[in-house]
Amino acid sequence: AQSVTQPDIHITVSEGASLELRCNYSYGATPYLFWYVQSPGQGLQLLLKYFSGDTLVQGIKGFEAEFKRSQSSFNLRKPSVHWSDAAEYFCAVGDTGGFKTIFGAGTRLFVKA
Amino acid sequence: NAGVMQNPRHLVRRRGQEARLRCSPMKGHSHVYWYRQLPEEGLKFMVYLQKENIIDESGMPKERFSAEFPKEGPSILRIQQVVRGDSAAYFCASSESGRGRETQYFGPGTRLLVL
Repeated sequence: AQSVTQPDIHITVSEGASLELRCNYSYGATPYLFWYVQSPGQGLQLLLKYFSGDTLVQGIKGFEAEFKRSQSSFNLRKPSVHWSDAAEYFCAVGDTGGFKTIFGAGTRLFVKA
Repeated sequence: NAGVMQNPRHLVRRRGQEARLRCSPMKGHSHVYWYRQLPEEGLKFMVYLQKENIIDESGMPKERFSAEFPKEGPSILRIQQVVRGDSAAYFCASSESGRGRETQYFGPGTRLLVL
């Protein structure tokens, strides 16, 4: 069965520092992979997605993610974090044979001045 | 182009009452998904609907929960005889097609509190 693991429940980084949020998935084939961001009290906004092709994906707000098949990972990165990036981040895997999207439990990002 | 709309944004019910949550998909989208987010958890898939059809309800609790997406009007998630454990944020998403690679656009959610 498909699953998504985000090992870090909380992460705190200083403003201006680099960021990497980890995501590991379990899926039998090449999955569709997504990163979403959720600000407090809001819905989810898509940051980026991977379907095929170049394994380094660029997204909005300066985020990027790299698909590594050998590690079953799709980590999210940003070179310089801004205070407005404080939010909860969800990694998700889509079923290539259908429509279901399975979400990880999320990583809450705190940004300190 | 308006995004996915959900109402109400907040809903308070007493145990045993009914909760009705509404979702209007983005214009041009005919596929709707409902998710539930419990505190400190990720989103859990509940049900996938197209107009007038339930395609997959494998994530729906067997009792008290139902969903519909009529030909006209919004999609409705109905919870009968609510219990405290139903307190959660319920998110609706829509997409243009139902393929797994299709981006789902999320509404702001309905926060249900059961007293």
